[in-house]
This record gives sequence, structure tokens and C-alpha cells, in this order.
Amino acid sequence: GQQVMQIPQYQHVQEGEDFTTYCNSSTTLSNIQWYKQRPGGHPVFLIQLVKSGEVKKQKRLTFQFGEAKKNSSLHITATQTTDVGTYFCAGQETSGSRLTFGEGTQLTVNP
Amino acid sequence: GAVVSQHPSRVICKSGTSVKIECRSLDFQATTMFWYRQFPKKSLMLMATSNEGSKATYEQGVEKDKFLINHASLTLSTLTVTSAHPEDSSFYICSAPQRGGSNEQFFGPGTRLTVL
Repeated sequence: GQQVMQIPQYQHVQEGEDFTTYCNSSTTLSNIQWYKQRPGGHPVFLIQLVKSGEVKKQKRLTFQFGEAKKNSSLHITATQTTDVGTYFCAGQETSGSRLTFGEGTQLTVNP
Repeated sequence: GAVVSQHPSRVICKSGTSVKIECRSLDFQATTMFWYRQFPKKSLMLMATSNEGSKATYEQGVEKDKFLINHASLTLSTLTVTSAHPEDSSFYICSAPQRGGSNEQFFGPGTRLTVL
């Protein structure tokens, strides 16, 4: 079945440093979504990427979808303590189908 | 954005008892809801897809007789953990996509189940 792998599992950075998490699917995706889960909280939708090679930005966050629609990345520029949490990618093979989540990257930011 | 609620947020029960968890879409209708299980510092594992008016679709390895799902209306799905055991202790989260909307999933706040 479909698998979604995400690295790294953990990332510790100093405030102001950049952060990147990578996501790779075993199958071609219809779309990929990114979620953030704060400690003790539930996943919150950040963005969805649909087109091959798509790049989207949300302030300091940059999301990319690979040309083959099998991999994606999330890059945070100049991290802040508010960025702390676990970032999950989740892929859908067809629109509206079940989401398969990556293992998540837990980000800690030292002030 | 759309809101999904879950009740209870926390529950502690004795081994052998059954626990019901409710998932409600508060301001939209959801013909489909998803139930996940999350272990500490781990990812979300899809347990089943709840379909309004029909049987739930369970993922491989998930016992349908142990995790009963009922989706009786367009705004409510329930997950009942039957004859709970300590290994069932976990964080259970539901989600729902908004009908006619994007693929975005709206997650409930989760239910922390502890089985003694």
C-alpha cells in the first residue's frame, strides 16, 4: 500500500535558523497537504499542493511539490519559538480519498 | 474555518468496559469522517472511514467488532471501543472534509483514552 516517509524525525534549531522537512511518497499523489500539530493539540491544516512543481508561500513558510508529484518539502525561514510543533505531510492518491500521513517532524526552537 | 468537536476530551475507564467517543461537525455536513489513532510522538494512523448511512470502511488490522463506528447523521459519527484493555489507551482523533469543499481535513481536538 501507499507509504509516506518524512525526514527528519526530530529537528532542534536556534531561534532565527532555518528549518526544512522532507516528505516522500511511494506512489504518485493527486495532492499533498501539510499540517501542524502543537504539543497537546490536534493537527491543523496549513496548505494543499496540487500541481506538479508547485511552490506556495505563507509568510516565512515555503512549500514545494515535486515535479513527479511524489515528494514535497516545507521550509521555514528564520524560525521563531511559535513555530514549535510537529509538522506532518499527508498525501492523497486521488482527490477525496483517504489521507496517508508521514511520520512527522518534531521541531523544537531554542530561544 | 469549519469546526469539528469531540467528546469527551479525556476518559479513564476500567479494563473490560466500553467507551463511546463522539465526533461532530458543528457548522457543516460531513458524509464522511475519518477516525485516527495517535500514539505519543507518533504519526496519525487511520483506523477507519465512517460513511453516513452505510457501513464504515476499516483499515487492515483494525478489528471492526472492537472499534464500532456509527455515522447516523450528517453531523455525527461515534467510535465505541468495546471491552477496552490497557493497550487501547491512546489519543483518538476524528476528522472530516467539508462537503463540496477542498480536500482540507478539519480535525477534532481529540480524545485521550486511558484504560486501567
